[in-house]
Amino acid sequence: GESVGLHLPTLSVQEGDNSIINCAYSNSASDYFIWYKQESGKGPQFIIDIRSNMDKRQGQRVTVLLNKTVKHLSLQIAATQPGDSAVYFCAENMDGATNKLIFGTGTLLAVQP
Amino acid sequence: ETGVTQSPTHLIKTRGQQVTLRCSSQSGHNTVSWYQQALGQGPQFIFQYYREEENGRGNFPPRFSGLQFPNYSSELNVNALELDDSALYLCASSGGVFGWTEAFFGQGTRLTVV
Repeated sequence: GESVGLHLPTLSVQEGDNSIINCAYSNSASDYFIWYKQESGKGPQFIIDIRSNMDKRQGQRVTVLLNKTVKHLSLQIAATQPGDSAVYFCAENMDGATNKLIFGTGTLLAVQP
Repeated sequence: ETGVTQSPTHLIKTRGQQVTLRCSSQSGHNTVSWYQQALGQGPQFIFQYYREEENGRGNFPPRFSGLQFPNYSSELNVNALELDDSALYLCASSGGVFGWTEAFFGQGTRLTVV
């Protein structure tokens, strides 16, 4: 059958390595960004967020970097584990009056044991 | 688990029919947003409800409508279903109406239109 849209960018890493997932966002006026993890058959799961007045934020095993000059966001996962295998989406808030999020295409992270 | 629950989990409808999807928001959250996620794509914002009023809408036709109830639960209604409406419908709840608040998603309802 038709498979257009199913060919997500894929990042394949070895268990224990660090992963870096990149995202280019669309609107220079966006002021809030979130990374979500989505496993097959489930809804997106919040990982970490960052506001536009910051350029780096760290969580447990994850770090988000924001470069507003080139409208680029990255998610770094330390010591990647098999349970990290999923599709990762970046999302931006372009409308401060609502929670409307604009999602990126998504990146499939495949962790090899 | 996020505490956001959606029902049903799966649904099959015929083109032209109407469907109602339901969402219970996380305790304490007064804002509910609905998203449509086509296979292999990121979620797309449909609309948001705050205090029982729609206060933001994406690029979806009027046959997509919603409700929010006093307990902050919500419904998404889609009339005159089309084949392209087949998707995962996601509900997200948050504790505030403005941006920069965390939005927590439910597991979604998989709608198939045949």
